[in-house]
Amino acid sequence: EVQLVESGGGLVKPGGSLRLSCEASGFTFSTYAMSWVRQVPGKGLECISGVSGSGGSTYYADSAKGRFTISRDNSKNTLYLQMNSLRAEDTSVYYCARGLGFGGYYDSWGQGTLVTVSS
Amino acid sequence: EIVMTQSPATLSVSPGERATLSCWASQSVSSNLAWYQQKPGQAPRLLIYGASTRATRIPARFSGSGSGTEFTLTISSLQSEDFAVYFCQHYKNWPYTFGQGTKLEIK
Repeated sequence: EVQLVESGGGLVKPGGSLRLSCEASGFTFSTYAMSWVRQVPGKGLECISGVSGSGGSTYYADSAKGRFTISRDNSKNTLYLQMNSLRAEDTSVYYCARGLGFGGYYDSWGQGTLVTVSS
Repeated sequence: EIVMTQSPATLSVSPGERATLSCWASQSVSSNLAWYQQKPGQAPRLLIYGASTRATRIPARFSGSGSGTEFTLTISSLQSEDFAVYFCQHYKNWPYTFGQGTKLEIK
């Protein structure tokens, strides 16, 4: 069974940093592209970053460029999102998601981790 | 960035009836279009990819159609568990973007 378990969310002050992790199991992690998708509770979804299976290619939404870094450790079956210079508008539930079709659509999602940016 | 627009924002339908949800792309995404269902407190669930291919274990009452800029998700006979929010998403090129969602509620 595919499982994705996020961790690392919490309350952080504006300008602060946080690193999210997503531990994967039940599939060959290194063969799948992965993404981080966020959602303000009750609102829409935003793909903020993606990474290829090897980790060699990364993608960012404009809202994340220059502040967030996606990475993966295939030896640990873990996806990461380093978030710096956090803003109030980054407050969201952050999901990791497994990508299919060259990473384009997402067939498995974690339960999400809430990031709250507030002073 | 490709903008995805869904209509209507809220759709009220009675159980057993058909529901038709629409999604438009600001430019052609070919068939690189997925649909998701989301229930309160849960992560999204993939329903359709490639505009018309049902994902694993998705009931046949869910069907998708369209290509280019206009897409439709049809639920042929609504069951109680189908009342949820539905999102479309393109994946033609990065950044992949979602529509704002259609809330399907019980009439």
